[in-house]
Amino acid sequence: DTEVTQTPKHLVMGMTNKKSLKCEQHMGHRAMYWYKQKAKKPPELMFVYSYEKLSINESVPSRFSPECPNSSLLNLHLHALQPEDSALYLCASSQDDRNTEAFFGQGTRLTVV
Amino acid sequence: AQKITQTQPGMFVQEKEAVTLDCTYDTSDPSYGLFWYKQPSSGEMIFLIYQGSYDQQNATEGRYSLNFQKARKSANLVISASQLGDSAMYFCAMRGYNFNKFYFGSGTKLNVKP
Repeated sequence: DTEVTQTPKHLVMGMTNKKSLKCEQHMGHRAMYWYKQKAKKPPELMFVYSYEKLSINESVPSRFSPECPNSSLLNLHLHALQPEDSALYLCASSQDDRNTEAFFGQGTRLTVV
Repeated sequence: AQKITQTQPGMFVQEKEAVTLDCTYDTSDPSYGLFWYKQPSSGEMIFLIYQGSYDQQNATEGRYSLNFQKARKSANLVISASQLGDSAMYFCAMRGYNFNKFYFGSGTKLNVKP
């Protein structure tokens, strides 16, 4: 199984809503990532979890709150988002080794209205 | 600091022809990995090929090969016998000393013409 599964695939939310994005992998990877990608741009790193601990936060606004309940799951809790937060949110996982690739999910297309 | 540069925002290639997508990088890390990903319009990032900085031979995976020139700090992707399904965004990426960070280039949009 080399899949990273993200749910939901599409999400429309109001600026006062609270929602969560979910990500799951069963490859035994101990590093998991959240990326944000705007149209025609490269992915921007948001958070990295290593061995279920938050190791990198790229100065992301607090309206985005990551959570890693166990080694297979990664959540991104969303609250009070702005329209400019509309983007494709990608989850990825990898081994802790610079010589291995990251596996990406299909992403969640988020629209904030 | 790490930096990946892709200088071709968009490229066209005729079906069945070969195409080279350029990637240069800058790093002071002695050991690093270089990766290419394909992103179709559906959004998923698909891993294509990997090259380690100490690998003596250029990596190949089916129709994909990586032209690695370490002294020039370049890692160009060569796609042979282009197919219509190759039309997508292509990103070059690097993973270095801080191996939990993948650094991405700005991408190249490849269009394959029938």
